[in-house]
Amino acid sequence: DAGVIQSPRHEVTEMGQEVTLRCKPISGHDYLFWYRQTMMRGLELLIYFNNNVPIDDSGMPEDRFSAKMPNASFSTLKIQPSEPRDSAVYFCASSITMDQPQHFGDGTRLSIL
Amino acid sequence: AQSVAQPEDQVNVAEGNPLTVKCTYSVSGNPYLFWYVQYPNRGLQFLLKYITGDNLVKGSYGFEAEFNKSQTSFHLKKPSALVSDSALYFCAVRDETTDSWGKLQFGAGTQVVVTP
Repeated sequence: DAGVIQSPRHEVTEMGQEVTLRCKPISGHDYLFWYRQTMMRGLELLIYFNNNVPIDDSGMPEDRFSAKMPNASFSTLKIQPSEPRDSAVYFCASSITMDQPQHFGDGTRLSIL
Repeated sequence: AQSVAQPEDQVNVAEGNPLTVKCTYSVSGNPYLFWYVQYPNRGLQFLLKYITGDNLVKGSYGFEAEFNKSQTSFHLKKPSALVSDSALYFCAVRDETTDSWGKLQFGAGTQVVVTP
C-alpha cells in the first residue's frame, strides 16, 4: 500500500502565478479530501469528493481556488492567481467511507512570494 | 453544529509517566470521534476512533481513549509515554446527524513534548 501520494512536496512561486497541486488517493477509496493547514487557522477542509464528484466545496476560500477529480486515481487543486496569503501546507486525504479513518498524504508546502 | 476543543496547546510529560491529551466536543446527534497524530513534515496519522460500543477504545502505539458521553469528552491516554510520542495530536468529531454532510471537524491540536 503506497498510501496517498502528493506532489510536489514543496512549491515556491511568485504572486500571480498559477499553482497546481496533485494527489493520488489510495486505490479503492471512494472519498478524497483537500485540507489546508496554517498556524493561524489550523486544519481547514477545502473540498471533498465522493466517487469523483465534488460533494462540498464550501471551504474553498475564493474563486481563485478550484479542484477537480477526473478519475478515481487523480485529483488536482489549482490556485490562479496565487497570493502570499495562500502560503500553507496543503494535504490530500482519502477514505473508504465517511465513517472510516482518513489517510493523509505528506502534504505540499506552498510558499507564495 | 459540531465543534471540538482541545484546551491545552502543549502537554509536557517525562518519559515513563502517564500521558493524557484532553478533548471535548459538541454535536447535535451521536458523535463519531477520532484521534490523529502528526509528526514534523508529515501528514496526519490515524490513532483510534469511537463510533459505538465500548467506551474505552484501544488504538495504535499503545494509545487508548475513553468516551464519556455525560462530560462530552474523548481524552487520549497512554500509560507510559515515550520520547518518540512527541508530536502534534488532533482530536476530530463528526456528527452523524449534521447538515454539514458528515465532514470531520478537527481541533486546534495539542503539542506533546516527552522529555527523557
